[in-house]
Amino acid sequence: NAGVTQTPKFRVLKTGQSMTLLCAQDMNHEYMYWYRQDPGMGLRLIHYSVGEGTTAKGEVPDGYNVSRLKKQNFLLGLESAAPSQTSVYFCASSSQGGSNQPQHFGDGTRLSIL
Amino acid sequence: GEDVEQSLFLSVREGDSSVINCTYTDSSSTYLYWYKQEPGAGLQLLTYIFSNMDMKQDQRLTVLLNKKDKHLSLRIADTQTGDSAIYFCAESMGYGGATNKLIFGTGTLLAVQP
Repeated sequence: NAGVTQTPKFRVLKTGQSMTLLCAQDMNHEYMYWYRQDPGMGLRLIHYSVGEGTTAKGEVPDGYNVSRLKKQNFLLGLESAAPSQTSVYFCASSSQGGSNQPQHFGDGTRLSIL
Repeated sequence: GEDVEQSLFLSVREGDSSVINCTYTDSSSTYLYWYKQEPGAGLQLLTYIFSNMDMKQDQRLTVLLNKKDKHLSLRIADTQTGDSAIYFCAESMGYGGATNKLIFGTGTLLAVQP
């Protein structure tokens, strides 16, 4: 009964390093999302995908890239990490994109950029 | 513009009722959601309400929607210590014509005193 799984759970990077966050869902959902959560700002959408092979920009996409090569996986990449990207990152998925389809969230990845 | 506002903190005694309030700005939102986030965990969908409803009850949870005032509330009856968490209100809106974008509030920290 995994749902949405994010790896890693924690990571510390130095400025300029790159890394990839992995999100996997086992619910056969079409839609997947990456959010970042910062104190006092709620969750903000970084990128999303409406199906395998597709990606689109959210409201704060700069500095991030994503890929959806397989339906069950949605990868978030940081090419050159910056301290402003220190945050908690959440992946979510939904069966469709309609507003009556709730999004299911993973437990988050806590990322610190020094 | 898009904005969802919540008070930051609420403290109640165990056994009392808790009421968490939320205001939103987008009158075209079709669904409004309440999510719960426990420490170190992701967001768990608690309940949601369609915009043509005034009230929805689900066991100890009651959601009230005042569409005229764009006000949403979550009432938790017989609040327990296990209800201590951050509660996020979110409104849905179409995004990019193909998916459901969630606009989150900043979250309300509910502290339940034994």
